[in-house]
Amino acid sequence: KAGVTQTPRYLIKTRGQQVTLSCSPISGHRSVSWYQQTPGQGLQFLFEYFSETQRNKGNFPGRFSGRQFSNSRSEMNVSTLELGDSALYLCASSQAVLQETQYFGPGTRLLVL
Amino acid sequence: AQSVTQLDSQVPVFEEAPVELRCNYSSSVSVYLFWYVQYPNQGLQLLLKYLSGSTLVESINGFEAEFNKSQTSFHLRKPSVHISDTAEYFCAVIHRWGNTPLVFGKGTRLSVIA
Repeated sequence: KAGVTQTPRYLIKTRGQQVTLSCSPISGHRSVSWYQQTPGQGLQFLFEYFSETQRNKGNFPGRFSGRQFSNSRSEMNVSTLELGDSALYLCASSQAVLQETQYFGPGTRLLVL
Repeated sequence: AQSVTQLDSQVPVFEEAPVELRCNYSSSVSVYLFWYVQYPNQGLQLLLKYLSGSTLVESINGFEAEFNKSQTSFHLRKPSVHISDTAEYFCAVIHRWGNTPLVFGKGTRLSVIA
C-alpha cells in the first residue's frame, strides 16, 4: 500500500499571500489530521477530518482552514500568511478514529518571507 | 487534558552504547502511547506503540519501550545504537476513548557518535 503523500513538498510564499496544501491518505483510511511543526512550539494539532466533516480542531486562528473530499483526500489552506506560519506541515491518516495508529506523510515545508 | 514531557532535548551517545530516551505523561484517563522517529527532512515514522496487553513493546529495529502506569512513563531504550539511529524521537499520547487528538512531547534529538 502506498503511504501518505503530501504535495507540494516545499513552498515559498510572501506575507499576505495564501497557500493550499494537499494530502492523500493511505488507501482505505478515512481520518486525516493535520499538524504544524516548528522548532519553538514542536508538533501542534491543527484539525482532523472524517467523512468530509471536521471532527476536531486545535487552537489555531481562523486563517487556518481545511476540507476533505469524498475520496478522503484533504487540503488545508492558510490565508493572509504571516512570518510565523513558516513550518513543516504534516498530514497523518488513520482508518477511522484518532485512537488508531496515525501514519504520517513526509510533510510540506512552508517558508514565508 | 493530557500532556507529554520528554525530559531530555538532546542525547549524545557513542555507537554501540545503550541509550534511554525518557518520556512521562500526565492524564486522568487511560491512554495509548506511541514513539515516532523523524529523520532529517522527513515526516514522522511510527517506531512502536502501546495499546494494551504486555507492557513491554518492541520495534523491528531493536528499540523497546515499557509502559509503567504507576510512574506514568513510557521510556524508549536500545541496548546498542547505530549511526543510523541518529534522528529526533517523539513520544505521544492519546486518550483511549473519546475523540481527542494525539499530543506530542517536544522531542529528543539522539546523536550517535562514531
